[in-house]
Amino acid sequence: RKEVEQDPGPFNVPEGATVAFNCTYSNSASQSFFWYRQDCRKEPKLLMSVYSSGNEDGRFTAQLNRASQYISLLIRDSKLSDSATYLCVVNMVIRGGSTLGRLYFGRGTQLTVWP
Amino acid sequence: DTAVSQTPKYLVTQMGNDKSIKCEQNLGHDTMYWYKQDSKKFLKIMFSYNNKELIINETVPNRFSPKSPDKAHLNLHINSLELGDSAVYFCASSQVLSESPYNEQFFGPGTRLTVL
Repeated sequence: RKEVEQDPGPFNVPEGATVAFNCTYSNSASQSFFWYRQDCRKEPKLLMSVYSSGNEDGRFTAQLNRASQYISLLIRDSKLSDSATYLCVVNMVIRGGSTLGRLYFGRGTQLTVWP
Repeated sequence: DTAVSQTPKYLVTQMGNDKSIKCEQNLGHDTMYWYKQDSKKFLKIMFSYNNKELIINETVPNRFSPKSPDKAHLNLHINSLELGDSAVYFCASSQVLSESPYNEQFFGPGTRLTVL
């Protein structure tokens, strides 16, 4: 089983739509959770961190369910510029309670927003 | 100014050759990483260095040897290149080794390696 699993999509939605991505992770001791965005042939960039209580940044809302080991990202009012691959990322605890900064990436969910 | 830079951007070479990729960050970060992104787009960590000290060494063939001359630089040397080494290699840096949700990793633009 992969450490982080995501539906690869692709998701094709019209402008203005609401779209949700889900992700599950295997290590219940994981501490930190993120969504990164990767544009075609570019490097990943942090979109937002995910906090236990859930958090919102403009049109983006991230939720964390520790009991189910599940993370979600909701994008409201989709824009053409939201077209990208969204990577679910988890900071895994590996030894002595430390993560050593190690991030595990899901394979990404591809989103295309059309006019 | 570019925060994390890598050279070269593209690298095309023959099987069996030895090549190096260089990475530099000007963010003042203590920790640097090498990742490999294969054709299926999985991004996997290979190595991390904290203050020039090797911290993470994933199960990577010993043909891959990282070198950190100082904490702003982390280079990757690959010996005897194989077809399966073709991938995009990303360098990244972060402020500290931390579980903190604020510990963002900043990625370089990637080096697209093609082994013929």
